[in-house]
Amino acid sequence: AQSVTQLGSHVSVSEGALVLLRCNYSSSVPPYLFWYVQYPNQGLQLLLKYTSAATLVKGINGFEAEFKKSETSFHLTKPSAHMSDAAEYFCAVSEPGTYKYIFGTGTRLKVLA
Amino acid sequence: DAGVTQSPTHLIKTRGQQVTLRCSPKSGHDTVSWYQQALGQGPQFIFQYYEEEERQRGNFPDRFSGHQFPNYSSELNVNALLLGDSALYLCASSSLGRRDGELFFGEGSRLTVL
Repeated sequence: AQSVTQLGSHVSVSEGALVLLRCNYSSSVPPYLFWYVQYPNQGLQLLLKYTSAATLVKGINGFEAEFKKSETSFHLTKPSAHMSDAAEYFCAVSEPGTYKYIFGTGTRLKVLA
Repeated sequence: DAGVTQSPTHLIKTRGQQVTLRCSPKSGHDTVSWYQQALGQGPQFIFQYYEEEERQRGNFPDRFSGHQFPNYSSELNVNALLLGDSALYLCASSSLGRRDGELFFGEGSRLTVL
């Protein structure tokens, strides 16, 4: 069975500081991995995805993530936080071809001025 | 190009009532999935429809049912509502033929059960 663990339900960073949101997964098959962002009272927007190509994936808004099979991790990073990055971030895993996502519990990012 | 659209955006029901939520997928998509997102939680998979049939189902009771129409739009029905059914219900669409793994989500329907 697949599962996702997001360490840290709340993360606070100063504006301009590095953003690091952690995601570890469990999967019996080579997975697809995703990061989504959710702003208040809105749906989910895809930030980036890993689908077995390059292990370092670049997404929108300056975010990137690295797939590390040995660590079963897919952490999300951004070099410099912006106030507009404040939102809830979800990591998800799926079995290729199924389009059935297993989501983590989310990390709420707060950016301090 | 219209994305995934859901209706209604908000609704309030009382315990024991029934509710129907609607979803139109992104143009060119043939698969619709439904997720339940309780407050402070990640979305949970309810079920997925393709070719008007339920293809996959998550760990939800039979009170949750759905339908997909020939134009690929979909409905989610919940019977005998419980307080715990209060949540944001998200519809997501995809195209099985692409096999790129990406789901496109709608804005959601927020259901409050009193």
